[in-house]
Amino acid sequence: GQNIDQPTEMTATEGAIVQINCTYQTSGFNGLFWYQQHAGEAPTFLSYNVLDGLEEKGRFSSFLSRSKGYSYLLLKELQMKDSASYLCAVLDSNYQLIWGAGTKLIIKP
Amino acid sequence: DGGITQSPKYLFRKEGQNVTLSCEQNLNHDAMYWYRQDPGQGLRLIYYSQIVNDFQKGDIAEGYSVSREKKESFPLTVTSAQKNPTAFYLCASTPPSGDSNEQFFGPGTRLTVL
Repeated sequence: GQNIDQPTEMTATEGAIVQINCTYQTSGFNGLFWYQQHAGEAPTFLSYNVLDGLEEKGRFSSFLSRSKGYSYLLLKELQMKDSASYLCAVLDSNYQLIWGAGTKLIIKP
Repeated sequence: DGGITQSPKYLFRKEGQNVTLSCEQNLNHDAMYWYRQDPGQGLRLIYYSQIVNDFQKGDIAEGYSVSREKKESFPLTVTSAQKNPTAFYLCASTPPSGDSNEQFFGPGTRLTVL
């Protein structure tokens, strides 16, 4: 079966750095997405990795290792508005998105 | 402004009634999707459509039906056969093949069955 694992919840302090991990086992791989979702709202796109390595975009970076079936999202200089759920999703061999359950990130002052 | 609209944002229905959720996009996207999200869970695919007049079942299609008569519109009907319909429903679309695999989401409809 296809499976994506993320921690259920993480807590971090304002101004700090947090890393959210995602491991996956899917039938094929055509890229990995990270989305941010505030409570009661739609997911919004953060990043897309299809090749190994680190992609940096402002305060957010995303890393991929295809051989390990592993990705992480790194958030720097945390702000209160970063409190949200972060969803990892993998595009499988049929170009269908397989979604993780999401990681709820709680930021404390 | 281009985007995806879903209406209404909140919907209440009595048990046993069918209800139709609207999804419209003016992004000229070919593929459209319907997801269901329950608390603490990821998005689960209900139905998707890659072209007009064609659609495919997702992982949890039972109790739902869709139509795709126009490129811009992909309504979802939650029928009385759906055993536990209370959930947050999200519609999404993707650009034409080769442009991007990113999915763009509508604001969602929260359905509560009383």
